[in-house]
Amino acid sequence: DGGITQSPKYLFRKEGQNVTLSCEQNLNHDAMYWYRQDPGQGLRLIYYSQIVNDFQKGDIAEGYSVSREKKESFPLTVTSAQKNPTAFYLCASRQGTEAFFGQGTRLTVV
Amino acid sequence: AQRVTQPEKLLSVFKGAPVELKCNYSYSGSPELFWYVQYSRQRLQLLLRHISRESIKGFTADLNKGETSFHLKKPFAQEEDSAMYYCALIAAGNKLTFGGGTRVLVKP
Repeated sequence: DGGITQSPKYLFRKEGQNVTLSCEQNLNHDAMYWYRQDPGQGLRLIYYSQIVNDFQKGDIAEGYSVSREKKESFPLTVTSAQKNPTAFYLCASRQGTEAFFGQGTRLTVV
Repeated sequence: AQRVTQPEKLLSVFKGAPVELKCNYSYSGSPELFWYVQYSRQRLQLLLRHISRESIKGFTADLNKGETSFHLKKPFAQEEDSAMYYCALIAAGNKLTFGGGTRVLVKP
């Protein structure tokens, strides 16, 4: 089944802990993206990567980090520096003009 | 900096009525613009793109560079059109930016 997979679907962490969200794609896409989706605020870009071993900050990168060691994988780490980490996180990949999205991970920090 | 603005958070229309979702953008270059849709319990997916000049599910969108707008229109809304709609822009360097989204509710 081709596509883009995010795991886990739900994630709970204690405040002060770093947590890594997984995003894997088997579409052979070069570009990958991480968004945060909050009610009433749409999708806000956290980080994006155009190619392996390269990534750029998006509009709300503070408190987050990423890596792109493999074309298929673009994990997002939510660090303890992120002031409001509880949110719904969406990953996407793109080749050409259409982006494909994962089903998202809902992170709750308690 | 690129920016996408969707001024309406919620549009409520009756079945069979026209619906128009507004999208304005700011970008100094030549943008590629899109509309994405998210139906209940489904993934976000592409609805249409400006370069194709296509009509999908009865929806059309025209790029107006003078007004920097890319409004989405459908002459006769259906109940299955109820969803969350996002306008998006790709700029140079592959940065894909979305607007705040508009929820469309089509009432019977």
